[in-house]
Amino acid sequence: KQEVTQIPAALSVPEGENLVLNCSFTDSAIYNLQWFRQDPGKGLTSLLLIQSSQREQTSGRLNASLDKSSGRSTLYIAASQPGDSATYLCATHITGGGADGLTFGKGTHLIIQP
Amino acid sequence: NAGVTQTPKFQVLKTGQSMTLQCAQDMNHEYMSWYRQDPGMGLRLIHYSVGAGITDQGEVPNGYNVSRSTTEDFPLRLLSAAPSQTSVYFCASSYSGQRNEKLFFGSGTQLSVL
Repeated sequence: KQEVTQIPAALSVPEGENLVLNCSFTDSAIYNLQWFRQDPGKGLTSLLLIQSSQREQTSGRLNASLDKSSGRSTLYIAASQPGDSATYLCATHITGGGADGLTFGKGTHLIIQP
Repeated sequence: NAGVTQTPKFQVLKTGQSMTLQCAQDMNHEYMSWYRQDPGMGLRLIHYSVGAGITDQGEVPNGYNVSRSTTEDFPLRLLSAAPSQTSVYFCASSYSGQRNEKLFFGSGTQLSVL
């Protein structure tokens, strides 16, 4: 069974810093890995999707990398802003049998201090 | 476009009561799914559908029922509510269910079972 772990569980940094969120997974037979953002009381918003054949994806100040062989992904946020404060979740979509859906990590709660 | 709409936003039930959580999307998405989110746990897949008339079980399907009579709607039924079903429920959809598509989430239904 796929297990997804996110480290750290919480992170607080001053505005302007570059930061890295980590995600690891136990089963490397994945179709893709997605990074989501969740604001309090809201649903999830997909930020980046990396297909299994890709190494990274970029959107604005966000860059996500994928190393399938080691079961790791990182989300890099450049020049952090208070508006980046949210919970960030990673999720994998595994191949093979079983349910057709995502396996999520528990998330990293990020606070950017003004 | 409204995207994925969930109703109600909040609900309190007594043990043993039944209810239906509504989910509708206006993006003509074939794939729809239900997740629950509990404190200290990642989101977990309850049921999913790859098109009208087709549903399947996810990781935690017990106590829940689904049907998909139209492309737009995917209701989740609690047959006899239990305190263990206290959670935040999210509906999510994607265009064709192809595994390299971003998932769009509703804003969630917070359910308390007393």
